[in-house]
Amino acid sequence: DAGVIQSPRHEVTEMGQEVTLRCKPISGHDYLFWYRQTMMRGLELLIYFNNNVPIDDSGMPEDRFSAKMPNASFSTLKIQPSEPRDSAVYFCASSPGLAGGQGYNEQFFGPGTRLTVL
Amino acid sequence: AQKITQTQPGMFVQEKEAVTLDCTYDTSDPSYGLFWYKQPSSGEMIFLIYQGSYDQQNATEGRYSLNFQKARKSANLVISASQLGDSAMYFCAMRDRSNFNKFYFGSGTKLNVKP
Repeated sequence: DAGVIQSPRHEVTEMGQEVTLRCKPISGHDYLFWYRQTMMRGLELLIYFNNNVPIDDSGMPEDRFSAKMPNASFSTLKIQPSEPRDSAVYFCASSPGLAGGQGYNEQFFGPGTRLTVL
Repeated sequence: AQKITQTQPGMFVQEKEAVTLDCTYDTSDPSYGLFWYKQPSSGEMIFLIYQGSYDQQNATEGRYSLNFQKARKSANLVISASQLGDSAMYFCAMRDRSNFNKFYFGSGTKLNVKP
């Protein structure tokens, strides 16, 4: 398996531009998570999906951020308009559903997208 | 309230020595999973070890072991025989059923292994 795939790996854009980050989860995984990581704020959960349905978007910073999961193999995180404070590494992660019995499955992270907004 | 607390922002350890990274958690769900991830300077997040709340024994994976103390709600990571390549950020995480299987991450501990 190729693992979680994210594109682009690096994005440099100017303030006010629209940015779209893409993620392909591991096939068969029911959960998809979007995180943002900065030195100041650490690792923050932005939103996560279960079976393509958004479950919790309380971490989305503001209306400029939106995420979609049109099917089980693709998700996007969009920032419109982008601002310099959005500069961060954005991770996508996927996870299978609950393991058998009382077990839990780990998340598998993508390589991240490093976003720089000038 | 913080679900996962890592109180050590940074730690140093001498190569070949053992080191313990602290993690405490908070949940009222009797069923939960605890995870440790490693993030080297290259940036990728690497899964290290998992402990289920109903597991009778502490989890071990090679040089990694999880010191699980359920009554104290702690899940410390022990790395034995530290290597230079262990220098990285380490995150503790928890997953439970109380919020649709959401993952909660701690703030991380930066480990530096000295030669």
